[in-house]
Amino acid sequence: DTGVSQDPRHKITKRGQNVTFRCDPISEHNRLYWYRQTLGQGPEFLTYFQNEAQLEKSRLLSDRFSAERPKGSFSTLEIQRTEQGDSAMYLCASSFGRFGTSTEAFFGQGTRLTVV
Amino acid sequence: GNSVTQMEGPVTLSEEAFLTINCTYTATGYPSLFWYVQYPGEGLQLLLKATKADDKGSNKGFEATYRKETTSFHLEKGSVQVSDSAVYFCALIPSGAGNNRKLIWGLGTSLAVNP
Repeated sequence: DTGVSQDPRHKITKRGQNVTFRCDPISEHNRLYWYRQTLGQGPEFLTYFQNEAQLEKSRLLSDRFSAERPKGSFSTLEIQRTEQGDSAMYLCASSFGRFGTSTEAFFGQGTRLTVV
Repeated sequence: GNSVTQMEGPVTLSEEAFLTINCTYTATGYPSLFWYVQYPGEGLQLLLKATKADDKGSNKGFEATYRKETTSFHLEKGSVQVSDSAVYFCALIPSGAGNNRKLIWGLGTSLAVNP
């Protein structure tokens, strides 16, 4: 296993279109996170999964955003009716956590979304 | 609430200069502290971490010490190289059972090292 992988690396879409991103975490990792990063800013937390359960969702995540992790392995993040303000780098991270401890989070290379 | 404040960039240094990037935090209890690095066009990589007061994290010549009394975790390197040019992020995970261990991030500090 070579780490967290994200697909696609880049996506250009027209405003109003729907887009879906995929994240494949490190195989034994039970925790998965999505963050969003805009230019010159630190990442912002979007949502968190433990196995297949989505346990936290940021208020940043409007109703147009939805994330799934159907079998506790890969995850998808869908944005419906994209807006120019959705343009950002979408980062996925995974870690293994149990009984209050956790490894550090490992990040994928991100998907850069540009909405035109 | 929990937050991280790090010095604004960009920081420009000559090769072999000494580097300090300041990071302070606000959090209850004893958060875990991290420095991540993002090289141009790449994802975030963990550089070092410290999980309790007075711990020193170190990696690739970089060091940072967890100072509870000053709520700080400043990043230092004695002699920077051109290859250290990147954006550096300070981050924390709040302490306490039941939290989801999501990272709280600073805004990042861009470092450019000139030959």
